Amino acid sequence: DAGITQSPRYKITETGRQVTLMCHQTWSHSYMFWYRQDLGHGLRLIYYSAAADITDKGEVPDGYVVSRSKTENFPLTLESATRSQTSVYFCASSPAGRLFFGSGTQLSVL
Amino acid sequence: QQPVQSPQAVILREGEDAVINCSSSKALYSVHWYRQKHGEAPVFLMILLKGGEQKGHEKISASFNEKKQQSSLYLTASQLSYSGTYFCGTEYWIGVNRSGNTGKLIFGQGTTLQVKP
Repeated sequence: DAGITQSPRYKITETGRQVTLMCHQTWSHSYMFWYRQDLGHGLRLIYYSAAADITDKGEVPDGYVVSRSKTENFPLTLESATRSQTSVYFCASSPAGRLFFGSGTQLSVL
Repeated sequence: QQPVQSPQAVILREGEDAVINCSSSKALYSVHWYRQKHGEAPVFLMILLKGGEQKGHEKISASFNEKKQQSSLYLTASQLSYSGTYFCGTEYWIGVNRSGNTGKLIFGQGTTLQVKP
């Protein structure tokens, strides 16, 4: 089905482990985004991408790595997870204009 | 850099009106409005582009004053289904020579709206 999908839906990991959150869209949208959502902070932009092989930092990029070798995929990697990275992560895509959000990944770092 | 939303929370009775404001310290290319219900992803409501237009979506409309770098979301005759958290997202204006926008969307902290019967 067409749309934007995130996986996994829930993830529990331990401090220091590497974790990758996946995001896949079927629309061929140019733009893709990663946001984290925490109580009191709203949605904060981690990284975004204007096209394949073009990525740029958002508001809170430290501790995260992204890549975009294909238009449809935009994985987010936490190289060494910390407790402060416990959050709900939303991926979004856009053709330039409105954003379409995935269902989110709830990540807990113990 | 994050836009400022006000108020932080609103409680209404069905049928009442509300206004949510979004203010930026930088020149804007566009303003987006989204609504999020608990446990769900944000859902797009509308987008306003540089030019000061006003848009409407059912009984929800919005305005964009680019001189004041502000946008307001108007909810009239509120319904129970309007409950949720409203976010404005701002995209900054970087000048004509660079096509005007970056695609980088920064959200405010959100306004929680509760509509009671």
